[in-house]
Amino acid sequence: AQSVTQLGSHVSVSEGALVLLRCNYSSSVPPYLFWYVQYPNQGLQLLLKYTTGATLVKGINGFEAEFKKSETSFHLTKPSAHMSDAAEYFCAVSRAGGTSYGKLTFGQGTILTVHP
Amino acid sequence: DAMVIQNPRYQVTQFGKPVTLSCSQTLNHNVMYWYQQKSSQAPKLLFHYYDKDFNNEADTPDNFQSRRPNTSFCFLDIRSPGLGDAAMYLCATSRDRMGYSNQPQHFGDGTRLSIL
Repeated sequence: AQSVTQLGSHVSVSEGALVLLRCNYSSSVPPYLFWYVQYPNQGLQLLLKYTTGATLVKGINGFEAEFKKSETSFHLTKPSAHMSDAAEYFCAVSRAGGTSYGKLTFGQGTILTVHP
Repeated sequence: DAMVIQNPRYQVTQFGKPVTLSCSQTLNHNVMYWYQQKSSQAPKLLFHYYDKDFNNEADTPDNFQSRRPNTSFCFLDIRSPGLGDAAMYLCATSRDRMGYSNQPQHFGDGTRLSIL
């Protein structure tokens, strides 16, 4: 079975400050990892994904995440927050192999607030 | 632009009155998913189609049904909506083949269902 834990249901930063959203996963097989962003009353938009290869992954809107197998983590960062980054962020894992058909297991989400 | 389109964006129905939500895609993806998302929660997978192969989650209520008449369209039917079914319903698609789940899911903007 696989699971995702996002540490902190709410994160608040000032505009221009570092954004760090934490995600830890549990998976019995090599995971595929994703970060999605959701703005109010909209669907989920893919920010970035890790499948294989380079462990530092760059995504849209200046976000990046690093896969650390030893720490079972996939934290999302952005050097400088912008007001438009205020949204809810979901970390998700899917399982490689078997008959999972790419089913995602989501974390509970982290709401990011950006103060002027 | 290729996309996932959900109609309507907002749906109001009466307690116990059947309702159908629709999803269409121009991505030509072989997998389509339906999620239920309640306020401040992660999306919860209800079921998915791998091509025409229907896959129900074990805890999806019998009240929820789905149809996929062709690759482009998928419908969510709620036979007798209860107050607890008020939620955002998200449709997603992905291009997957069995055992390889590294492709991201593409989400529509959702249908927000209210029950009177």
